Amino acid sequence: AQSVAQPEDQVNVAEGNPLTVKCTYSVSGNPYLFWYVQYPNRGLQFLLKYITGDNLVKGSYGFEAEFNKSQTSFHLKKPSALVSDSALYFCAVRDSLVGTNDYKLSFGAGTTVTVRA
Amino acid sequence: AAGVIQSPRHLIKEKRETATLKCYPIPRHDTVYWYQQGPGQDPQFLISFYEKMQSDKGSIPDRFSAQQFSDYHSELNMSSLELGDSALYFCASSVKPGSYEQYFGPGTRLTVT
Repeated sequence: AQSVAQPEDQVNVAEGNPLTVKCTYSVSGNPYLFWYVQYPNRGLQFLLKYITGDNLVKGSYGFEAEFNKSQTSFHLKKPSALVSDSALYFCAVRDSLVGTNDYKLSFGAGTTVTVRA
Repeated sequence: AAGVIQSPRHLIKEKRETATLKCYPIPRHDTVYWYQQGPGQDPQFLISFYEKMQSDKGSIPDRFSAQQFSDYHSELNMSSLELGDSALYFCASSVKPGSYEQYFGPGTRLTVT
């Protein structure tokens, strides 16, 4: 079974400060990991993914994430947060060790990020 | 760039009524996924289609059915609606089932009264 945990319901930071949103995962095989962002009354927007290779993944809007296999984590980071980054962030995982046609994503509960001016 | 299109964006139904949600994937994407996001909850996988065949099934109630048509658009049919069906329903598409990214539509907000 595949699952994701986002331990923080909310993260509050001041504009210009670093932003970190935590995510840990559980899979049977190798993880395919994703971050999505959701603005109010909008769909999920893809930010970045980790499939294989370099543990530091760079994505859209200045976001990056670091894959840590020993800690089974995939934390999302941004060096300098903007007020416009305020949104709901979801971490998602897909297990590489799945049956044929089993490509669904499992999402974490989401973390609400608030960046204050 | 073209995105996933969902219609309608908002839908209000009464209990025991039926509803049909439509999804138009990104051109050349042949795989469609449906997810349900309840209030304050994470998206939950319902069902997926590849090349017009059901490829995977999640926590989809028996009252719901879905299909993918020859033009790759998909419809989610919901019958005997219950208050608990009120949610945001997302459709996502990918180039093929094994493709890593799923691109999500804006969602259909269903309210059952």
